Amino acid sequence: EIVLTQSPGTLSLSPGERATLSCRASQSVSSSYFAWYQQKPGQAPRLLIYGASNRATGIADRFSGSGSGTDFTLTISRLEPEDFALYYCQQYGSSPYTFGQGTKLEIK
Amino acid sequence: EVQLVESGGGLVQPGGSLRLSCAASGFTFNTYAMTWVRQAPGKGLEWVSAISGSGSSTNYADSVKGRCTISRDNSKNTLYLQMNSLRAEDTAVYYCAKMRGYYYEEAFDIWGQGTVVTVSS
Repeated sequence: EIVLTQSPGTLSLSPGERATLSCRASQSVSSSYFAWYQQKPGQAPRLLIYGASNRATGIADRFSGSGSGTDFTLTISRLEPEDFALYYCQQYGSSPYTFGQGTKLEIK
Repeated sequence: EVQLVESGGGLVQPGGSLRLSCAASGFTFNTYAMTWVRQAPGKGLEWVSAISGSGSSTNYADSVKGRCTISRDNSKNTLYLQMNSLRAEDTAVYYCAKMRGYYYEEAFDIWGQGTVVTVSS
């Protein structure tokens, strides 16, 4: 099983700032099979990024993904108030399709 | 509008069974793989099971293998998860999600609102 470790656990930033969220895999993951999701309290997750760097339909261009091998990054260029939420990384190339434990992005 | 609506959750005793359903609309159901993901109270996301577009191929997490069966009725645009021998650790919100392609190795691009399963005596 591929274990995904996200850092930091909590990120405290202000609107307008840049956010960088990291995800490290216990073994190499094809970038074709890597995703990021956003989840707000009481809501289902929402796909942000798939294939490591492709924005899902309707996702603002301030969200970008990068990385390969074992290290992946989600960057939010300028934080909007609605971006403060939980973020999960996921690999879906090797069963079981594992998620990271999440990074909470909170308002500073 | 693309939509997934889960149902069938509830309170069940340890050892009991439940069948979850997920009604899909707004897309060509039989051309996409589907999946179930669960989230225990206050915890992260755990993938549970997936099924190909035709239903001929299925995949399970070890935590539910042998106790759960995923299936789909493409004539009814509905996904199912039959859960047997339920344990307290199966308590979670269960989400169904559409995968981006016909087979498994795809991201989960549309999610339902979830249905709550509570296993307790």
